[in-house]
Amino acid sequence: EVQLVESGGDLVQPGGSLRLSCAASGFTFSSHAMNWVRQAPGKGLEWLAYISSRGDTIHYADSVRGRFTISRESGSLFLQMDSLGPEDTAVYYCVRETSIFGVVISGNWFDPWGQGTLVTVSS
Amino acid sequence: DIQMTQSPSSLSASVGDTVIITCRASQSINTFLNWYQQKPGRAPNLLIYAASSLQSGVPSRFSGSGSGSDFTLTISSLQPEDFATYYCQQSYAVPRTFGQGTTVEIK
Repeated sequence: EVQLVESGGDLVQPGGSLRLSCAASGFTFSSHAMNWVRQAPGKGLEWLAYISSRGDTIHYADSVRGRFTISRESGSLFLQMDSLGPEDTAVYYCVRETSIFGVVISGNWFDPWGQGTLVTVSS
Repeated sequence: DIQMTQSPSSLSASVGDTVIITCRASQSINTFLNWYQQKPGRAPNLLIYAASSLQSGVPSRFSGSGSGSDFTLTISSLQPEDFATYYCQQSYAVPRTFGQGTTVEIK
């Protein structure tokens, strides 16, 4: 079974740091790009960061660039979060990206999603 | 960045109804458009990828169409378990932006 399990969410004070982890199983981790997506309470989905299958291409949302760092190593995805503020309070999801570029179908999509881990930034 | 606009933001429907949700991209994204369903307290779940391909295990009452900048998600014969929030997402470019969501509520 393909599975992603996040951990590391916690209550942290403004200005603090946190490191999220995502353990992948049931698929060849090194063959897929990975992403982090978050959802603030009562809000929509916000894409945060992308890392290619080999880890050599990384992209960030403007809202987290310079504060968050995505990384990966054998079977695990990470998100180092620094200089956290109340606006970073959210459920954070680890997501596998599948890409196909063919004659009939071309695209990239997110599946599966982890169960999410809650990060609360508050004093 | 590519902006994704869904309409309506919410709707009320009855079991058995046909529901249509639209998603418009701020520029052409070919068919790099995905749809996700999210139920309260749960992670999103992929329904449709590449604009019109049904994800394995998703009921056939869900269908997607469109290309370029205009897309639709259609739910035929709405079932009780379909009451949820639906998001479109473009995967043509980074950042991989989402629509603001459409909540389907019970009438």
